[in-house]
Amino acid sequence: NAGVTQTPKFQVLKTGQSMTLQCAQDMNHEYMSWYRQDPGMGLRLIHYSVGAGITDQGEVPNGYNVSRSTTEDFPLRLLSAAPSQTSVYFCASSRDRAKEQYFGPGTRLTVT
Amino acid sequence: GQQLNQSPQSMFIQEGEDVSMNCTSSSIFNTWLWYKQDPGEGPVLLIALYKAGELTSNGRLTAQFGITRKDSFLNISASIPSDVGIYFCAGRLGGAQKLVFGQGTRLTINP
Repeated sequence: NAGVTQTPKFQVLKTGQSMTLQCAQDMNHEYMSWYRQDPGMGLRLIHYSVGAGITDQGEVPNGYNVSRSTTEDFPLRLLSAAPSQTSVYFCASSRDRAKEQYFGPGTRLTVT
Repeated sequence: GQQLNQSPQSMFIQEGEDVSMNCTSSSIFNTWLWYKQDPGEGPVLLIALYKAGELTSNGRLTAQFGITRKDSFLNISASIPSDVGIYFCAGRLGGAQKLVFGQGTRLTINP
């Protein structure tokens, strides 16, 4: 298994541009999440999904959209990038709601 | 939102020393997880705890789920250079899928 994969690994955007961060898992996990990591802030939940077709907001959802059309994929969309969205983004998945989450390698995003 | 207080924020130790870090919260958690993050990588799960009082080991690492369900600690014995990194605790409230993360403990080891 490849586990949780994320692309791209690095990205630079100009303010106002849009883009999609890709996340995929091959473990048939129902639960997937997106986090952002900023210095001194730990990881903060952006959006999560409990299964295909179901998504919900986390702690810091503003400026981001998600969809879950398949079990494997959970893309994160930045609608209009802002410098405040400069961060490292991690996708995670877990087998069910009570189990541990496994993280991808991250996408480092810089918005200028 | 829910807060986890993780301490210490950073540690500078000599190789071979034991390490102890902890997380506390004002809320009751049903799950405690400990992760390690290396530079440029995603967090990797070290230990998962699901019951109050549970004590679990993973090699030189030992973690405990506090009896009050509001805290957890992680110990590393006989530290080695590859233990360097940032350690995060995470807790789950009830049956929710959402995890709350501590701010991390940055471990530096002098050889």
